[in-house]
Amino acid sequence: AQKVTQAQTEISVVEKEDVTLDCVYETRDTTYYLFWYKQPPSGELVFLIRRNSFDEQNEISGRYSWNFQKSTSSFNFTITASQVVDSAVYFCALSEPYNQGGKLIFGQGTELSVKP
Amino acid sequence: GAVVSQHPSWVICKSGTSVKIECRSLDFQATTMFWYRQFPKQSLMLMATSNEGSKATYEQGVEKDKFLINHASLTLSTLTVTSAHPEDSSFYICSARDTKGVENTEAFFGQGTRLTVV
Repeated sequence: AQKVTQAQTEISVVEKEDVTLDCVYETRDTTYYLFWYKQPPSGELVFLIRRNSFDEQNEISGRYSWNFQKSTSSFNFTITASQVVDSAVYFCALSEPYNQGGKLIFGQGTELSVKP
Repeated sequence: GAVVSQHPSWVICKSGTSVKIECRSLDFQATTMFWYRQFPKQSLMLMATSNEGSKATYEQGVEKDKFLINHASLTLSTLTVTSAHPEDSSFYICSARDTKGVENTEAFFGQGTRLTVV
C-alpha cells in the first residue's frame, strides 16, 4: 500500500534559520510522482513542486530546495533563510500513475512556525 | 497555472439539511476530479474520485449515500453532503487534473469549503 510519512508534526524556528522538512514514502509502483504543497491558515493548498520517480535531480527554487533520494525513499524539503511568511502547514504527497487513477496520498503534514 | 474554483468557501447549515459544494475547472477539462476532507490539525483524506459521466469511486469507509458526487460535465463536479450532522463539519477540498494527455501534471486544488453543521 502507498504511504507517506512526515515524522515532524511541528517545527519552530527563528527567522533566517534554515529548516528541513522530512518526507518518507512507500510505494510498489515503479512510476510515481511526489509533491510538496503549502497550506497557509486560509486553507488553500499552494503547489510547490512535482517530481517524477525517474528524475532524482535535486532542485532549487529561490530559498526552497528539494532532495530526492530514491534509495531511501525520501523527498526532503529545505527552506533556506526562513521568513515569517513561510509559517504554514506543509504536506508531502505521493501520486499513483495517472493511468491508475492518479490520486494523491498525503502525509500527515508538518506545521512550520517561523518566529521573528 | 490552471484554476479550480470551489464554491462556497464556507457554509453553515442546520443539522439534518443537505449542502452542495461545487468544484469547477475554469480553463481546462477534467475527466477526473478528487474530493478530500480535512479535519482540524489533520491531513487531507481522499473521500472519492469523481469520473465524468460515470459513478464516483469511494474510498473505504466513506458512505456513498451520504456524500453524493455528481460529475455531469468535464468542468464541474459536485459533492452533496446529505442529512448533515455536526460530525460532518470539516474542510472539504477538491482537485482536478488537466486531461489533455499530459500525464505528469500536478493536481490543481480548489480553495476549499469550510462546512459547519450546527
